[in-house]
Amino acid sequence: EAQVTQNPRYLITVTGKKLTVTCSQNMNHEYMSWYRQDPGLGLRQIYYSMNVEVTDKGDVPEGYKVSRKEKRNFPLILESPSPNQTSLYFCASSPQGAAYNEQFFGPGTRLTVL
Amino acid sequence: AQKITQTQPGMFVQEKEAVTLDCTYDTSDPSYGLFWYKQPSSGEMIFLIYQGSYDQQNATEGRYSLNFQKARKSANLVISASQLGDSAMYFCAMREEGYQKVTFGTGTKLQVIP
Repeated sequence: EAQVTQNPRYLITVTGKKLTVTCSQNMNHEYMSWYRQDPGLGLRQIYYSMNVEVTDKGDVPEGYKVSRKEKRNFPLILESPSPNQTSLYFCASSPQGAAYNEQFFGPGTRLTVL
Repeated sequence: AQKITQTQPGMFVQEKEAVTLDCTYDTSDPSYGLFWYKQPSSGEMIFLIYQGSYDQQNATEGRYSLNFQKARKSANLVISASQLGDSAMYFCAMREEGYQKVTFGTGTKLQVIP
């Protein structure tokens, strides 16, 4: 089944404790992206990747890191989480970054930073 | 400047009636794609419909149609014959060909009344 998977689905952590949210897709997509969703703000892009070893900042990259060492995986790293990073996070992928490409979304990760 | 604007935070519609969700956008890129996604209370993001900037006809997918008015830079989603299962958040999004980021609106919460 073609899908984007994220782990964990739910995470409660404390300020400053490094964490990684994994994202994996099995569709051989080149483009992958991370979003955060906050009430009243919609989805905002954190980072995206056009292909292996090619990543770039979205609109809200502060406090996050990403890497793309393999085509299928695009982990999101929070080196020192803070309460303002409490949010719902989505990973998404698409065949390329073309304007006509629909994105396929993972199920979301709900992160709470205390 | 906001690239995607959804001015209706919440809407109500009677079951079996049609409803229009508004979306306006701003871009100078001649090549772009406009997307609508549905997010039910369970949280997943579901792709509904796509409209390309060069498409001559409005997109349709079952009960969903996109009222694309290029000169007005609007891409409104029309849901015909609303069903209770249509109650959800709806997001408009844009991908620009020469700009690899993806921009989402703040969403509209639609509630279908029996």
